[in-house]
Formats: sequence, C-alpha cells, structure tokens
Amino acid sequence: KQEVTQIPAALSVPEGENLVLNCSFTDSAIYNLQWFRQDPGKGLTSLLLIQSSQREQTSGRLNASLDKSSGRSTLYIAASQPGDSATYLCAGYTSGTYKYIFGTGTRLKVLA
Amino acid sequence: EPEVTQTPSHQVTQMGQEVILRCVPISNHLYFYWYRQILGQKVEFLVSFYNNEISEKSEIFDDQFSVERPDGSNFTLKIRSTKLEDSAMYFCASSDEDTDIWDTEAFFGQGTRLTVV
Repeated sequence: KQEVTQIPAALSVPEGENLVLNCSFTDSAIYNLQWFRQDPGKGLTSLLLIQSSQREQTSGRLNASLDKSSGRSTLYIAASQPGDSATYLCAGYTSGTYKYIFGTGTRLKVLA
Repeated sequence: EPEVTQTPSHQVTQMGQEVILRCVPISNHLYFYWYRQILGQKVEFLVSFYNNEISEKSEIFDDQFSVERPDGSNFTLKIRSTKLEDSAMYFCASSDEDTDIWDTEAFFGQGTRLTVV
C-alpha cells in the first residue's frame, strides 16, 4: 500500500529564506506527481505537475523535482514571503492505479 | 480560467440523513474523483470515475456511498445514511484524458464542508 510522508511536518522561517520541502513514497513506482497548496479551511490549488517523462518543473519561485529511483520529490521555494504561508501537499499517481495518493503535508509559516 | 465548482460550500445534516454533494467538473474533462479530508488529517481518496463507471474505490467508499454523473455536467457523491465520522471536507477533482491518463493534471474544487450532528 502506497504511503507518502512529508518532511518536515511544520516549518516556521523568516521572510526571504530559501526552503526545501520533502516528499517520500514507499512505492517508488510513481508515474507523475503534483504539488498543491492548501490555505486553512480552503481547497487544493495545484502548483506544479511533474509528468512521467519529466524530472522537474519550475514556476516562478517554485521548483519541484522527482527522483523516481528513490520515490522522492523536493519542492524548493526561493526567497520565501509571508504570502507563501500555507500547507503544502504532494500527491503521486502510481502506475496501474486511478488515484492520487496524498502526503501528510508540510505546514509552512513565513514570518515578516 | 476553468475551474471545478462544488455546492454547497457547507452542509449540516442530522445523523442518519442522506446527503448529496454536487460537483461541476471542468467541461472537457473525462476523469472525476472524490476525496475527503477529516479536520487535521490527510487528504484521503474515495473514488475515481470514468466513462460512467467507477475506476477505483477505497475501503472508505462502502455501500453507504455512491457516485453518479446524472447529466453531461454534474458529478455527485451521495451518502445514504450519514454518520458522525462522515464529517469532513469533501473535494471533487477532474482531469483531462490526454494521451496518457496518468500524465494529466488534476484540478480540485474548493470543497464542501459536511458536518453531521
């Protein structure tokens, strides 16, 4: 059964820091992976999609990479801002299934 | 920009009552999903749906749950007899069928908060 762990569970940093959020799958047969942002009590906003033929994706200050051999993904946030404060979730689509499995989330707080 | 729309945003129901949660997926999408998130917990998969049938369902999706695409635009989740533990945020999602279904991006709605009292 696929399990997804995100480290750290929570993170509090001063504004301007560069951050690395980690996501790890027990089954490394990940077909594609998405990173989402969730504000408190709100829905899931897609940030980045790494498709099966890709190894990383970039959007603005965000960069995500996926190492399929180890089943690990990293989300890099450059020059963090208070507006980045949210919970970040990774979700992987395992080959042969019809579902995304979500990670446990990293709760980020960026202090002004 | 196209988006997944869910109604209502919040529903309160009495234990034992039936509820129907409604979703309007993005118009050209062909795969549909329901997930739920109990307060403070992780997002859990319930069911995926394609071509008018269930593609996959989780252990949570027991006989009390059903899904339907009653017309060309709506996708519904029905809970027949709600329990206290059904209280959660329910998310609908849809994705396009690209050349490879596993390579498409899933778009999520804003959720319906279901409170069972």
